Amino acid sequence: AQRVTQPEKLLSVFKGAPVELKCNYSYSGSPELFWYVQYSRQRLQLLLRHISRESIKGFTADLNKGETSFHLKKPFAQEEDSAMYYCAPQGGSYIPTFGRGTSLIVHP
Amino acid sequence: DVKVTQSSRYLVKRTGEKVFLECVQDMDHENMFWYRQDPGLGLRLIYFSYDVKMKEKGDIPEGYSVSREKKERFSLILESASTNQTSMYLCASKQGSEKLFFGSGTQLSVL
Repeated sequence: AQRVTQPEKLLSVFKGAPVELKCNYSYSGSPELFWYVQYSRQRLQLLLRHISRESIKGFTADLNKGETSFHLKKPFAQEEDSAMYYCAPQGGSYIPTFGRGTSLIVHP
Repeated sequence: DVKVTQSSRYLVKRTGEKVFLECVQDMDHENMFWYRQDPGLGLRLIYFSYDVKMKEKGDIPEGYSVSREKKERFSLILESASTNQTSMYLCASKQGSEKLFFGSGTQLSVL
């Protein structure tokens, strides 16, 4: 069965601190990996897609196929990064599976 | 920019009522999805559609049905609303392997 685990429900850091939001997945085959973000009062949107290797708003994510992980990282968190983050692998059927989400709070 | 529009931002309904949630996308996407979003549970897939008049059950289809008569429109139907269907409902669309585009959501309260 396809499974996505985001172990942290809540992550609280101070501005300027490094951030790592964890994502582990269990998927048959080689899924494509996405991170989506939802800022307060905004709709869910794509933050990062593994295949394009873009760094968006300073975030990066490294795919570790051995550990089946796709952790999201940022070296220096900003207050505007406070949001809900969802990891979403997508298999050959092109149906994404979402994790339960991690709420990131960045304190001033 | 792709627009996914959900007809209502907030809805309040009574137990047993039939509820229609409407979603329209303007980019000719083949695939459309209905999710519900609950705190601590993330997004759970209710139904999706690959094409007009085609529908597939997601992870939690019980108590819901869908309709896709036109490519741009995907409706979610609660045949007889219950209090445990109080939730945020998100519609999304995409083409093939590309990213999802989401609507702004409908917060449904069933009293």
